[in-house]
Amino acid sequence: DAKTTQPPSMDCAEGRAANLPCNHSTISGNEYVYWYRQIHSQGPQYIIHGLKNNETNEMASLIITEDRKSSTLILPHATLRDTAVYYCIVRVDSGNTPLVFGKGTRLSVIA
Amino acid sequence: EADIYQTPRYLVIGTGKKITLECSQTMGHDKMYWYQQDPGMELHLIHYSYGVNSTEKGDLSSESTVSRIRTEHFPLTLESARPSHTSQYLCASRGQVVDTQYFGPGTRLTVL
Repeated sequence: DAKTTQPPSMDCAEGRAANLPCNHSTISGNEYVYWYRQIHSQGPQYIIHGLKNNETNEMASLIITEDRKSSTLILPHATLRDTAVYYCIVRVDSGNTPLVFGKGTRLSVIA
Repeated sequence: EADIYQTPRYLVIGTGKKITLECSQTMGHDKMYWYQQDPGMELHLIHYSYGVNSTEKGDLSSESTVSRIRTEHFPLTLESARPSHTSQYLCASRGQVVDTQYFGPGTRLTVL
């Protein structure tokens, strides 16, 4: 699976959009971009994933650049409960290999 | 909400004791995983299973062992606990149709 690079930490004001970047310049054609988050010491929670088209669900939006070398997770109206570590993971969909988590981005939402 | 359970949630135990951390899921998922995470640190994969009678070692070497006799059950055992085993252990499962991993609440283990 391709490697990803994320900033170690970010701050966001409550009610504003949180934009979390991820670089994955070595991504291959059959690899998807997944986002998970981990609130405090709970188990990680799935947020969203995509291949090349932008995706949106009730939690977030995922914007993938046309060359697929980077992506941005957008939380449209961040709340204090969105404070967590956010992981960007690249892997082949429905493959047998487990998810491998990096260091992620620690997002702090500030009142 | 995913139906994946871990017991106990917290365990404090003395050195040398044998312990088993339980993980169960009711979703019929074939693939199950164990991760280890120290406070503030990354998650490390220590074991995984593709299905019944299948077990594989993960990226991080671990003195623990696992078994997969039933689809829904994936227990992790430490034969002789040591203080270096103090950590949080997270279990996860993944189905075939929707490729997302669901995590349990974790077991926080302290070995004195």
